[in-house]
Amino acid sequence: EAGVAQSPRYKIIEKRQSVAFWCNPISGHATLYWYQQILGQGPKLLIQFQNNGVVDDSQLPKDRFSAERLKGVDSTLKIQPAKLEDSAVYLCASSGLAGGRKETQYFGPGTRLLVL
Amino acid sequence: ELKVEQNPLFLSMQEGKNYTIYCNYSTTSDRLYWYRQDPGKSLESLFVLLSNGAVKQEGRLMASLDTKARLSTLHITAAVHDLSATYFCAVAGATNKLIFGTGTLLAVQP
Repeated sequence: EAGVAQSPRYKIIEKRQSVAFWCNPISGHATLYWYQQILGQGPKLLIQFQNNGVVDDSQLPKDRFSAERLKGVDSTLKIQPAKLEDSAVYLCASSGLAGGRKETQYFGPGTRLLVL
Repeated sequence: ELKVEQNPLFLSMQEGKNYTIYCNYSTTSDRLYWYRQDPGKSLESLFVLLSNGAVKQEGRLMASLDTKARLSTLHITAAVHDLSATYFCAVAGATNKLIFGTGTLLAVQP
C-alpha cells in the first residue's frame, strides 16, 4: 500500500513570496490533516479535512494560509505572503477508510520550507 | 485546552541500559499515540493506547497508559544505537486531531 505522498520535499523562498504544497493521502482515507512542525517542537495541527469539508482550522493563520481538498482526495496548502516564522516542516497525514475517529494517522515525508 | 508534556526533553543513554520517557496530558482522551522521528524524516507510528492499563510492547520498547493519572510511559530496555531518534507522544482531541508533546531526543551511546 502506498503511503502519503507530498511535494515538493524542499522549498526555499524569500519573505513575502508565495508557496504551495501538495499532498496525496493513502487511497481511501477520508480524513486529511496538515501539521506545521517548527524545529525542535512537536507538530501542530493547521487544518483537518474530512472528505471535502473542513473539520478544524482553528489554528490556521487565515490571513496568509489557505488550504483546499479537491474531490476529497488531494490537498493543497498555500502560504501568501510568507513570513520568516513560517520556516518549518509541513507534514500531511491521513487516516481512516470511513472517516471514523479511532484510526491511526499516517504521515507523509513532509515539505521543508525555509523563508529567507 | 488539551496540553501534553514530555520529559525528559533530552536523554543520553549508554547501550544496554534501561530508561523511561514520561508523557503527561491535561484532559481526558480516549487515545494516546507514540511516534518515532529520525533526523530529517517523517513520523513513524509506534503504539496506540486505548484504555486504562493498556500495555503494548515491540522489541525493546514498551508503552503503558494510566488514564486516571493522565500519564503514559515509554520504557526502553537494554538500549541499542538503532533506537536513537526523537520520540513524541500525542493525545487525540475531540475531532481526532493530535496534540503532540515537545518530544524526547534519545541518543544511545556505545
